[in-house]
Amino acid sequence: DAMVIQNPRYQVTQFGKPVTLSCSQTLNHNVMYWYQQKSSQAPKLLFHYYDKDFNNEADTPDNFQSRRPNTSFCFLDIRSPGLGDAAMYLCATSRDRGPTAGETQYFGPGTRLLVL
Amino acid sequence: ILNVEQSPQSLHVQEGDSTNFTCSFPSSNFYALHWYRWETAKSPEALFVMTLNGDEKKKGRISATLNTKEGYSYLYIKGSQPEDSATYLCASTNTNAGKSTFGDGTTLTVKP
Repeated sequence: DAMVIQNPRYQVTQFGKPVTLSCSQTLNHNVMYWYQQKSSQAPKLLFHYYDKDFNNEADTPDNFQSRRPNTSFCFLDIRSPGLGDAAMYLCATSRDRGPTAGETQYFGPGTRLLVL
Repeated sequence: ILNVEQSPQSLHVQEGDSTNFTCSFPSSNFYALHWYRWETAKSPEALFVMTLNGDEKKKGRISATLNTKEGYSYLYIKGSQPEDSATYLCASTNTNAGKSTFGDGTTLTVKP
C-alpha cells in the first residue's frame, strides 16, 4: 500500500545533540510537510517542500532545518535540541497544495522526540 | 494566521451514544475544511473534505456538515463504538494562506 513512513517512531536525544528525523513516501506526491505537535495542541507547520521549493514558516526557529534530496524522502534536522523541542513530529504529503487545490494531506505515524 | 478552534477539547461517551463536536474557523476567504481522525499510535487519516456552504458528507456512522457563512463545521458520530475513540482534528484552508491551519482537536473516548 502507498504510504508515508517515519523513522524512528521514538527518538531520544541529549540536550544540544543534533538529531535527524526521516520521512519517506510512496505516493509520489509533490508536497511534503513537517509539523510539530505538543500535547493537546494543534499540529504546527514548520515548513514544507513543493517539489524542490522549500517554504519555511516565519516563526520556525533557525534550529530546525530540512532537506529533500528526492521526491520520496524528506528529513528534519534539529541542530541543537532543547527541552522545549520535545514533541511529536509529523510528516505529511499532498499531491498539490492549496488554496486552489485544498489538497488532503496524508500523514505518517509521527516520531516522538524526547530530549534529555 | 487563521484561528481554528475545536470544542469540546475532550469527550467521554458510552458505547451506543451519539455525539457531535464543533470546528470554528474564519469565514473570510474560506476555501476548504478537512476533518482527520487520529487514533493512538497510528497516522492521522483523512475523513472528509468540504468546500461548499451547506456541504454534508457521510462515511458509515460518521457525518459532517459545513457552514461557511458563519464559519463552523459539525462532526457527528451515530451510535459510538469503542473503535471510534480517537482525536478528531479539523483543518481550514483559506485562499490567502494557501495552507491548512489545524485546530487543537477533540479527543473522544467511547467506553464499552
